[in-house]
Amino acid sequence: AQTVTQSQPEMSVQEAETVTLSCTYDTSESDYYLFWYKQPPSRQMILVIRQEAYKQQNATENRFSVNFQKAAKSFSLKISDSQLGDAAMYFCAYRFNNNDMRFGAGTRLTVKP
Amino acid sequence: GAVVSQHPSWVICKSGTSVKIECRSLDFQATTMFWYRQFPKQSLMLMATSNEGSKATYEQGVEKDKFLINHASLTLSTLTVTSAHPEDSSFYICSATRDRGYTEAFFGQGTRLTVV
Repeated sequence: AQTVTQSQPEMSVQEAETVTLSCTYDTSESDYYLFWYKQPPSRQMILVIRQEAYKQQNATENRFSVNFQKAAKSFSLKISDSQLGDAAMYFCAYRFNNNDMRFGAGTRLTVKP
Repeated sequence: GAVVSQHPSWVICKSGTSVKIECRSLDFQATTMFWYRQFPKQSLMLMATSNEGSKATYEQGVEKDKFLINHASLTLSTLTVTSAHPEDSSFYICSATRDRGYTEAFFGQGTRLTVV
């Protein structure tokens, strides 16, 4: 069974600083997809970034980037130049083939002004 | 991006009654829809997977007779909570995927159900 682990229940960052959220996963598959979703107080799930496992290059979306270590089964999210609007719950997710997404427990990010 | 609309956003119902939640893909055909339940400050827990025209596949521990799922068309899936009880109060979220080749799942805005 695939599992996703987020070991940081809460994280805090100063506005304009950089923060890294950790995620590890367990799978026996070689081709799969990884995601980071943001859930603000509205509770709407918003895709932040995605990574295809077959790609060696780390995905980047503006201030968001990932450090994907396939052998270590690690998928961390780095948020640069943190903004107040980045405050939310962040979920790491795994998806294999056309199956459902499996989510980690989440990390609550607080951004201090 | 693709849009998934979930309705209602919130609902209050009396214990013993049934409530239906709709999940619609507005601008694409969703071959598969997923229903999640989220308790306060917790992650999303998959309840069931719904494929158009076939019976839903429920996760272990989810009562299929209590949580009825219907995926009658490629753009609509419904979750009916039957004989609701206060312990069914929760936040329910649907997501939809396109055909194979699209990796992303698109989420509805969620439904907050309160059973009194």
